[in-house]
Amino acid sequence: DGGITQSPKYLFRKEGQNVTLSCEQNLNHDAMYWYRQDPGQGLRLIYYSQIVNDFQKGDIAEGYSVSREKKESFPLTVTSAQKNPTAFYLCASSGGRTRGGETQYFGPGTRLLVL
Amino acid sequence: AQSVSQHNHHVILSEAASLELGCNYSYGGTVNLFWYVQYPGQHLQLLLKYFSGDPLVKGIKGFEAEFIKSKFSFNLRKPSVQWSDTAEYFCAVNFYAGNNRKLIWGLGTSLAVNP
Repeated sequence: DGGITQSPKYLFRKEGQNVTLSCEQNLNHDAMYWYRQDPGQGLRLIYYSQIVNDFQKGDIAEGYSVSREKKESFPLTVTSAQKNPTAFYLCASSGGRTRGGETQYFGPGTRLLVL
Repeated sequence: AQSVSQHNHHVILSEAASLELGCNYSYGGTVNLFWYVQYPGQHLQLLLKYFSGDPLVKGIKGFEAEFIKSKFSFNLRKPSVQWSDTAEYFCAVNFYAGNNRKLIWGLGTSLAVNP
C-alpha cells in the first residue's frame, strides 16, 4: 500500500515535555512537509525538506525541530519551547523534479493535546 | 508577499444547490493551482489541480475549477451539491520558481450541505 503514515493518531504531552511525531512515506518522494492545522487558520508550514539531510524553516518553526536522515522519514519534535502545541499536525510529501512535482499528498494527521 | 485568499469562510447549502467557492492569489507570475478537500474525520486529499493548458479543470466527484489569469482567480464549482460534499475546502498555490515546491494556502471554507 503506497502512502504516508503518521503515528500516533493521538498524542498527549505534559507541560515541559518534548514529544516526537512520526511521518513515513513509501512514495519515493524527495520532498516532505510538516503543517499545523488550527480551526479557522488553515494550514501553516512548520518545516519542509526538499532532499535528505536538508531542511528549511517554514512560517512557524519556533518551538519545533526536525531531521531528515532517510528519504522515507521526516519526524517532527515538538519541544517544551512551543507554548501552544495543542493542534492537528499534518505531514505531506511531494515528488518529482518536473513541474507537477509540487502536488502534495497528505498523511492522516496526529492530534496533539497538552495535559 | 505572496498570499491566497478564500472569500467564504462558512457556506451552508441545501442539496442540489449550485456551489462556487472563491480563491484569489496575489502574484502575477507562473502559478500551479490546487484545491484540496478534507471530509470529516478524513485526511486532506487532492480535489483537482491546474498547471497549464485548458483553464477549465475537472476533478473528482463532479467538481471543476476555472483559472482566470487576468483575475488571479481559481474558483471551485459544482452544479449540484450532495450531503456528502460537507467538508472543508482549501485552495493552495505554488508560485512557481525553479525547484520551489512550497504551497501557499488559503484559510479554508467550511461547507455544510443540508439534506
